[in-house]
Amino acid sequence: NAGVTQTPKFQVLKTGQSMTLQCAQDMNHEYMSWYRQDPGMGLRLIHYSVGAGITDQGEVPNGYNVSRSTTEDFPLRLLSAAPSQTSVYFCASSPGGPGTQYFGPGTRLLVL
Amino acid sequence: RKEVEQDPGPFNVPEGATVAFNCTYSNSASQSFFWYRQDCRKEPKLLMSVYSSGNEDGRFTAQLNRASQYISLLIRDSKLSDSATYLCVVNSGGATNKLIFGTGTLLAVQP
Repeated sequence: NAGVTQTPKFQVLKTGQSMTLQCAQDMNHEYMSWYRQDPGMGLRLIHYSVGAGITDQGEVPNGYNVSRSTTEDFPLRLLSAAPSQTSVYFCASSPGGPGTQYFGPGTRLLVL
Repeated sequence: RKEVEQDPGPFNVPEGATVAFNCTYSNSASQSFFWYRQDCRKEPKLLMSVYSSGNEDGRFTAQLNRASQYISLLIRDSKLSDSATYLCVVNSGGATNKLIFGTGTLLAVQP
């Protein structure tokens, strides 16, 4: 099993550009989530999904959209990138609820 | 006040030492608790869950004190490979049912 995969590993954007961060898992987990990690702050929840077709907002959802058309995939879209979105983004999945989460390797995003 | 608070460290300890980390949480309704480990520039990985009665996994012991709302992690006989950031994580429980992450405690084990 590949576990949780994320692409790209690194990305540089200009302010105002849009992009999609990809996340996929092959463990048939229902629960998936997106976090961002910034220096001096804990991981913060952006959006999450409890199953295909169901998504909800986390702590810091502004500027991001998600969709969950399949159990495996949970892409995160940045609508119009801002320097404040410079961060490391982690996708995670869990077999049931948010307890024991398996994280992907992360995407490092720099917005200029 | 942060929902989950940890001493950021760093904790610099020699190999073989015993080291303890504490973490406090603010939401008394929190239902489940975890320690995750994060190596430099890597993703977090679950180290262990924390149970009310306390639990041990090899050299690692986790304790929960619900009355005082704190969680601890004890590492015995530290190894160089234990060097990492240790994240205290609390499930907020209730209607929100989300994980709240502490900022982490950095451990550096010295030879």
